[in-house]
Amino acid sequence: QVQLVQSGPEVKKPGASVKVSCKTSGYTFTNYYMHWVRQAPGQGLEWMGWVNPNTGGANSAQKFQGRVTMTRDTSISTAYMELSSLRSDDTAVYYCARVGRKYGHEYFDFWGQGSLVTVSS
Amino acid sequence: DIQMTQSPSSLSASVGDRVTITCRASQDISNFLAWYQQKPGKVPELLIYGASTLHSGVPSRFSGSGSGTDFTLDISSLQPEDVATYYCQNYNGAPRTFGQGTKVEI
Repeated sequence: QVQLVQSGPEVKKPGASVKVSCKTSGYTFTNYYMHWVRQAPGQGLEWMGWVNPNTGGANSAQKFQGRVTMTRDTSISTAYMELSSLRSDDTAVYYCARVGRKYGHEYFDFWGQGSLVTVSS
Repeated sequence: DIQMTQSPSSLSASVGDRVTITCRASQDISNFLAWYQQKPGKVPELLIYGASTLHSGVPSRFSGSGSGTDFTLDISSLQPEDVATYYCQNYNGAPRTFGQGTKVEI
């Protein structure tokens, strides 16, 4: 069965960086794009960007460009999201989400369990 | 960027009621719209894609409609397990913007 297992909670100081991992199993990693979504406490879902596990190509929301790096390691079927220059408003649960495709449509069919990142001095 | 606006932000209904949530895109996105359900403390789950196609395993009381800029999610008979926040999402290119969410209570 498809599983996306994310790394554990992190506490970081403002200005630091955090790298969240998303280890996958149960499917061919390189066949499905991986997206990242975050959710601040009590807030809605915010799309961050994606990585193409096959090519390594990535794209992110303009808001995060210059601060976020999305990568992958095909040898261990794992995607990564690194966010730098952390601020207090980056405190959130970060999710990886696999993109399923059918008839030209794309959707997030499997999600990781979420990784809480707390930014605090 | 395309903006997604949901209404209402929250609603309270009784078990068995019909519930309708609307989502409006700031420009035409054809039918490249998905709906997700997020129960309290849980991970979001896909309900509908292509504006109206029910994802595998989703109860038939959920339905979606719309095209272009205006979309709706309907719950034909609200159940206690439907207490959740519902999000629409545009996937017509990038960014894959979410609506702000609609919290459904009983």
